[in-house]
Amino acid sequence: GAGVSQTPSNKVTEKGKYVELRCDPISGHTALYWYRQSLGQGPEFLIYFQGTGAADDSGLPNDRFFAVRPEGSVSTLKIQRTERGDSAVYLCASSLKGGTLSYEQYFGPGTRLTVT
Amino acid sequence: AQKITQTQPGMFVQEKEAVTLDCTYDTSDQSYGLFWYKQPSSGEMIFLIYQGSYDEQNATEGRYSLNFQKARKSANLVISASQLGDSAMYFCAMREGFTGNQFYFGTGTSLTVIP
Repeated sequence: GAGVSQTPSNKVTEKGKYVELRCDPISGHTALYWYRQSLGQGPEFLIYFQGTGAADDSGLPNDRFFAVRPEGSVSTLKIQRTERGDSAVYLCASSLKGGTLSYEQYFGPGTRLTVT
Repeated sequence: AQKITQTQPGMFVQEKEAVTLDCTYDTSDQSYGLFWYKQPSSGEMIFLIYQGSYDEQNATEGRYSLNFQKARKSANLVISASQLGDSAMYFCAMREGFTGNQFYFGTGTSLTVIP
């Protein structure tokens, strides 16, 4: 079956612009996660959705970052007024459901965002 | 304090030899899960192995095994019979509590398998 997909694979934008990053999880997975991975670092948690609601958005760095998952499937991460420090790989992951320790997350290939 | 610590930025191993990648964790929860992921140069994170805090036996998945030492809070990954395709970044991660929502990742270890 299809894995987690993310589009675009690469995005170059100018400082101050708005960007949207899309994640399409594995069919049937109710839990969806966004992470940010900077060069030489491990993924850093941003937000977690269980179904349509954001169950935990404690990792969003500031109010320029927002994510939605209106129908409980596809999710969009939105970044307003981008800054050079936002440059990173944004990873999306899905899991069969949240709230269960043993359920691993399946990751997408990531979107590499470069802010110039 | 870091939740996950990986102290080996880079490791080298001869093909067909075994290698251990270190991971220590920090949590006050009694229930937690420990995971290892592989990230090849293509960038995609690949799940390798899971160990629950209440699991009495070390987890094994093919050539991967997890050396779980609860009292020392360590969860080292052992790769046996290394292959050239094992060259990649390896990340240790932890999920806390019965309703743990997020994974905490370490900074990773870059493994290079030498022919």
